[in-house]
Parts: sequence; C-alpha cells; structure tokens
Amino acid sequence: NAGVTQTPKFRVLKTGQSMTLLCAQDMNHEYMYWYRQDPGMGLRLIHYSVGEGTTAKGEVPDGYNVSRLKKQNFLLGLESAAPSQTSVYFCASSYPTGGSLYTGELFFGEGSRLTVL
Amino acid sequence: AQTVTQSQPEMSVQEAETVTLSCTYDTSESDYYLFWYKQPPSRQMILVIRQEAYKQQNATENRFSVNFQKAAKSFSLKISDSQLGDAAMYFCAYKGGFGNEKLTFGTGTRLTIIP
Repeated sequence: NAGVTQTPKFRVLKTGQSMTLLCAQDMNHEYMYWYRQDPGMGLRLIHYSVGEGTTAKGEVPDGYNVSRLKKQNFLLGLESAAPSQTSVYFCASSYPTGGSLYTGELFFGEGSRLTVL
Repeated sequence: AQTVTQSQPEMSVQEAETVTLSCTYDTSESDYYLFWYKQPPSRQMILVIRQEAYKQQNATENRFSVNFQKAAKSFSLKISDSQLGDAAMYFCAYKGGFGNEKLTFGTGTRLTIIP
C-alpha cells in the first residue's frame, strides 16, 4: 500500500542544471498537486492537476513545469535550477470534489529535499 | 484569493496540559473545508482533523477538537492531555468548495511539549 511516492528523496543541483521530480500515486486519485515548503512560509502551491492531461498554475509557478500524461503520475520539472528553488517539495493527491469518496483530505508524499548550489 | 493566517509561530505546553492553536482565514465563499495537518520531524504531513463549513458542530478526533467560528472566520485547534508525540509543526489549511481545487496553507505553528 504505497500511497504517494516521490522520487528522488534528495538531490543536489548546480545552478542552471535541469531535473525532474516524479510523483506516483496508487489510489486512483483524480487530483494531484505539487507544493514547496520553505521555513516560515508554510506550503505554497506550485502547480496542480484535476485529471489526466490537465495542469494549472498555483501560487508560485515560475521556473517550474509539470506534466500529467498518466493519471497516476505527476511530474515537476526544473529547466534551469536557481538557488531560490532550494526547498522541500511535496506531492499530494486527492479524490475529486463532489465525488462519493471526497473528504477534502490531501494525501502527501514524504517530500523531496532539493538543494541548488 | 483565500488567505490563512496562523499568528503563533511557536507554542509550548506542559505534558498532559491543554493547548490551543489559532487560525483565521479570509474567504467570500460559503462552502469550504478547513483542516489541521501535523508535520512531525519525519516531515510526513498527517491529517489531524477536518471541518466542513456547512456543519455547525465542531469536529472532534480523540484528544483533538476544533472551535469553528464561521462568522468570525476562525478555526482553532485544541489539543487536550498533550503528549510528547504531539510535538510537531501544525498547519491550518483551507479548501474551497466545488470548482476551487486548491488547498491553501497557513505558515504553521511549531508546538513544543515540555516533559
């Protein structure tokens, strides 16, 4: 019973390098989210998806791209990493609003710590 | 845009005592959900308690309860009989109703339990 799995858990990048964070969920959730967590700022939404093939911008989308080619996967890409993107990244998923299983709860992965030097 | 405010960056409580964490939010919606999440040092986000705005009765989960004041837009968390395992960051979060799929978090309150 994996839930939400993030890969990798830790990564160190140099400024200008690119990378992709992978999020996979096995709960058949429609909605998926990427957040970043920084000290004193809580969790801020980067991008989200309400279904396969859809994506939308959150609060802090600049410098990131996402894709949802498969329902169970949500990828977060950094094309040219900057030190300001040093953070802990969380993926989350949930059932759709209004569905019979909907409770509003987000199910989170364990987080990925990214350091950009 | 909805905002969530947690005005207490840090709180501490003696073991076995009761502590209340504050949260206020700003919204123009009538249908929404409110949550408290706990983040222990393991970094895992754990749902503590949930409240639907249309329900007048305050949610309770064992030692955790909320004081939901809809008119005042206040959603505080009360932890009774505090235990060492309650030490964590606590985040208040807001989610709108149908059509608003984003969850907005407050900045968190770090709770320390004093043995």
